Amino acid sequence: AQSVTQPDIHITVSEGASLELRCNYSYGATPYLFWYVQSPGQGLQLLLKYFSGDTLVQGIKGFEAEFKRSQSSFNLRKPSVHWSDAAEYFCAVGEANQAGTALIFGKGTTLSVSS
Amino acid sequence: ETGVTQSPTHLIKTRGQQVTLRCSSQSGHNTVSWYQQALGQGPQFIFQYYREEENGRGNFPPRFSGLQFPNYSSELNVNALELDDSALYLCASNIAGALTDTQYFGPGTRLTVL
Repeated sequence: AQSVTQPDIHITVSEGASLELRCNYSYGATPYLFWYVQSPGQGLQLLLKYFSGDTLVQGIKGFEAEFKRSQSSFNLRKPSVHWSDAAEYFCAVGEANQAGTALIFGKGTTLSVSS
Repeated sequence: ETGVTQSPTHLIKTRGQQVTLRCSSQSGHNTVSWYQQALGQGPQFIFQYYREEENGRGNFPPRFSGLQFPNYSSELNVNALELDDSALYLCASNIAGALTDTQYFGPGTRLTVL
């Protein structure tokens, strides 16, 4: 069965420092991979997605992620964190069906940004 | 702003009652998915509706049911509420047929079961 593991429950980063959030997946075929962000009281916003092609994916708000098949990983990175990036981050794998994909999420990583 | 709205924002029910949550998808989005997000957890897939029929279901019992209407609105119904049903319920819409299509999420309905 497909699954997603986010090993870090909570990460604190200083403003201006770089960020890497880890994500490992278990999926039999080529995965569809996503990163979403959730701010308090908000729904989920898509940061970026990977389906095929270039393994380095650029997203919104300066985020990028790299797909590494050999490590079953899809880690999210940002070179310089802003205080507004404090939120909950979810990695997900998409299970394809007729109407699109059903998303399987990890448990999330809470990002705190210190000044 | 994703163009997906949900109502109500918050809801309190007692164990054994029934509840209906509503979602309004983006115009033109013929697929809606529902997710349950318990506190401190990631969202879990409940089911998906495509052209007003259930298209896939996660590991949820039959007391979770749904409806999708031609006007891009949909409902999630939960019967015989249990305490563990307390969660944030999210709906997401997309255009079917494109596997790369993005699912756009609403802000969610917070359900508390007492």
